[in-house]
Amino acid sequence: DGGITQSPKYLFRKEGQNVTLSCEQNLNHDAMYWYRQDPGQGLRLIYYSQIVNDFQKGDIAEGYSVSREKKESFPLTVTSAQKNPTAFYLCASSAWQYTGELFFGEGSRLTVL
Amino acid sequence: EDQVTQSPEALRLQEGESSSLNCSYTVSGLRGLFWYRQDPGKGPEFLFTLYSAGEEKEKERLKATLTKKESFLHITAPKPEDSATYLCAVAPGTYKYIFGTGTRLKVLA
Repeated sequence: DGGITQSPKYLFRKEGQNVTLSCEQNLNHDAMYWYRQDPGQGLRLIYYSQIVNDFQKGDIAEGYSVSREKKESFPLTVTSAQKNPTAFYLCASSAWQYTGELFFGEGSRLTVL
Repeated sequence: EDQVTQSPEALRLQEGESSSLNCSYTVSGLRGLFWYRQDPGKGPEFLFTLYSAGEEKEKERLKATLTKKESFLHITAPKPEDSATYLCAVAPGTYKYIFGTGTRLKVLA
């Protein structure tokens, strides 16, 4: 079945550590996205990528980094510069030809100890 | 400023009690409006896409409608398994999506 796989589902980090969240898709979509979800707020865009080896900052990119070396993969690194990293992180993808629906992974919950 | 507002924030219904969720939006241009269902601890699940005023989509007990300023998600004769958070999003431009904060729906047996 086609879909988006995020791992790990739960992750704990000590302050000062970088962590990387994995996102893999087999939908053959060109565009991939990372969102952050906090209670009482709408999803906020961290980074998105239209094609391999290209990505753009979203609304809250500070303290995060991404790479897009393969079409199927779009990992997100939460760096120690991110002041409030505890959140639910969602990876999504869409076909690039039009602004169509996003398909989401199951999410990764990051907790800073 | 592009904005999406969902109401109510929370809704409790008895099983079989039909109701509607609202998504009002202010955007510079609408390329699409999307409805999602999200269960606790899970990623949003896509329900519907609406592109132009007057358009309607249906799926089981759910029906989504769109006007120039808002969208409604009508739930007919809901069941407990319909309990979830329903998210609305609009796309004012390519690769850009604005999400509302959602409506938490609880259907009581």
